[in-house]
Amino acid sequence: DADVTQTPRNRITKTGKRIMLECSQTKGHDRMYWYRQDPGLGLQLIYYSFDVKDINKGEISDGYSVSRQAQAKFSLSLESAIPNQTALYFCATSDSRDSGETQYFGPGTRLLVL
Amino acid sequence: SQQGEEDPQALSIQEGENATMNCSYKTSINNLQWYRQNSGRGLVHLILIRSNEREKHSGRLRVTLDTSKKSSSLLITASRAADTASYFCARHSGGSNYKLTFGKGTLLTVNP
Repeated sequence: DADVTQTPRNRITKTGKRIMLECSQTKGHDRMYWYRQDPGLGLQLIYYSFDVKDINKGEISDGYSVSRQAQAKFSLSLESAIPNQTALYFCATSDSRDSGETQYFGPGTRLLVL
Repeated sequence: SQQGEEDPQALSIQEGENATMNCSYKTSINNLQWYRQNSGRGLVHLILIRSNEREKHSGRLRVTLDTSKKSSSLLITASRAADTASYFCARHSGGSNYKLTFGKGTLLTVNP
């Protein structure tokens, strides 16, 4: 969905490096999410934000941090990358006015930690 | 933890056949959603069914929900090769906990 963009799309880094994944959206949604997906598994929630001043930990927040710089931007940082953080990372958005909370996903960032 | 569990994990059918995927969950829901993921790409919302609904249709998709059994099914009729993808159910529990909990998905392969 072009309304939710992620950069970079692919990233190779080394153990111990700090990296940032960025997410931007033009949907005007107030809620944003970061997930990781490992092969053969579903999505695991890392962090979520219901508005600019709200940040919440998800299921697997250890080793990650986030920043909600604006309503449209939500970045995910790996302070010191480790190999088991190799995964596909997705950003998603939703609108609190949508009672169903349908989520709209970005194209993903494929991260390889060597 | 992932509380939406899809069954089967993988399904291979011929074009034109129907595909049925099931999802079970453990706790109460506000709604249940189905998403499709083409290989390595972002998830795309397909259909949402609310806890007070039993069946919904959207094009070739039919979703049922049985809250007494805590289960849902997704039926894709007259499948096409382009339907090849992973399908995930996601549980929305409502209340103050406005998050989706995803299952592990069913990988559907539709052979031409």
